[in-house]
Amino acid sequence: NAGVTQTPKFQVLKTGQSMTLQCAQDMNHNSMYWYRQDPGMGLRLIYYSASEGTTDKGEVPNGYNVSRLNKREFSLRLESAAPSQTSVYFCASSEVGPAGVTGELFFGEGSRLTVL
Amino acid sequence: AQKITQTQPGMFVQEKEAVTLDCTYDTSDPSYGLFWYKQPSSGEMIFLIYQGSYDQQNATEGRYSLNFQKARKSANLVISASQLGDSAMYFCAMRGDNTNAGKSTFGDGTTLTVKP
Repeated sequence: NAGVTQTPKFQVLKTGQSMTLQCAQDMNHNSMYWYRQDPGMGLRLIYYSASEGTTDKGEVPNGYNVSRLNKREFSLRLESAAPSQTSVYFCASSEVGPAGVTGELFFGEGSRLTVL
Repeated sequence: AQKITQTQPGMFVQEKEAVTLDCTYDTSDPSYGLFWYKQPSSGEMIFLIYQGSYDQQNATEGRYSLNFQKARKSANLVISASQLGDSAMYFCAMRGDNTNAGKSTFGDGTTLTVKP
């Protein structure tokens, strides 16, 4: 059981380049998320998708776009990378239980992105 | 809006002793959930324990317990009988069930070091 799989695990970009981080989950979860974690800090929500076909901005959406391709897959795109986007990116998914209450997050292993 | 505050950047504990990691929160949602996650030096995020805002009893999971004081808006994590493997970063997080539905907000974390 793979859980949440992110690719790539490491990436180095030059300023202005674009890239897409891929995420897939095999737990049949409705909700998926993208977080970033800067050194010594907590996770900040970039975008989330409560269900297939919907996406919403989180705390730090500027410079990013997302696509909920289907129930399993949720990708994060950097159109024009900037050094401020150097970070570790985590994809996560969660169940939505009774009354729409969201359960704990299941995380991927993280993707370390460096923008030069 | 919702906010998590962890005031202890670093904590030390002797092996086999108990330790309390502090977490206070603020939210506009009347119903919410509180979570603790562990992040070892390897980087993955591991779910530890959950407390719902209307749960009557404090949550426990093995050596982990959550000291939930709703009036004080605190959700402290207690680790009993600390082990060397407990050395990690610990994050408190919350998820609202209404206006903040689906969004988990994280604190900046506490680095716990267990001394032999």
